[in-house]
Amino acid sequence: AQSVTQLGSHVSVSEGALVLLRCNYSSSVPPYLFWYVQYPNQGLQLLLKYTSAATLVKGINGFEAEFKKSETSFHLTKPSAHMSDAAEYFCAVSQGGSQGNLIFGKGTKLSVKP
Amino acid sequence: DAGVIQSPRHEVTEMGQEVTLRCKPISGHDYLFWYRQTMMRGLELLIYFNNNVPIDDSGMPEDRFSAKMPNASFSTLKIQPSEPRDSAVYFCASSYGHEQFFGPGTRLTVL
Repeated sequence: AQSVTQLGSHVSVSEGALVLLRCNYSSSVPPYLFWYVQYPNQGLQLLLKYTSAATLVKGINGFEAEFKKSETSFHLTKPSAHMSDAAEYFCAVSQGGSQGNLIFGKGTKLSVKP
Repeated sequence: DAGVIQSPRHEVTEMGQEVTLRCKPISGHDYLFWYRQTMMRGLELLIYFNNNVPIDDSGMPEDRFSAKMPNASFSTLKIQPSEPRDSAVYFCASSYGHEQFFGPGTRLTVL
């Protein structure tokens, strides 16, 4: 069965610093991987997705993630944090190779200090 | 497209009352999901449908919870009777393929 582990429930960075949010997955089939962002009092919105094309995926707001099969990782990065990046971030993996359910990680809350 | 639409956005009710949450998925999407989010438990999948048929309801916490999808453009999540521990934000999401699109959520408070 698929699973997702997000290391660190809270991450705090200074404005302008590198953002690194970690996600490891387990999957018995080639996975589809996603990062979602949730701003306060809003629903989740897609940041980026990996669907077996390029291993380096670029998303909205300057975020990107790299799929590393050998490490079963899909870490999210942004070179320079902005105050508006403060939100909760969720990593997710597709369940099975077909359409259907996503398995979500527990989320990482990102704080950005001025 | 207007995206996934949920109503009401906020609901305050008293313990023991029936609560009905509503969702309109994005047109053309064949999957619909109901989630619950709390500080303690995080994001939990309650149930999901494919082509209006419930596929997995193992996340529904108790018999007090029920969900229906009478057609491709409408779904309800009902709690009867409601309890204070049901207080949470309930999200509906829909998909065609692997990417899920979330609604804005319904914030439920049970007093």
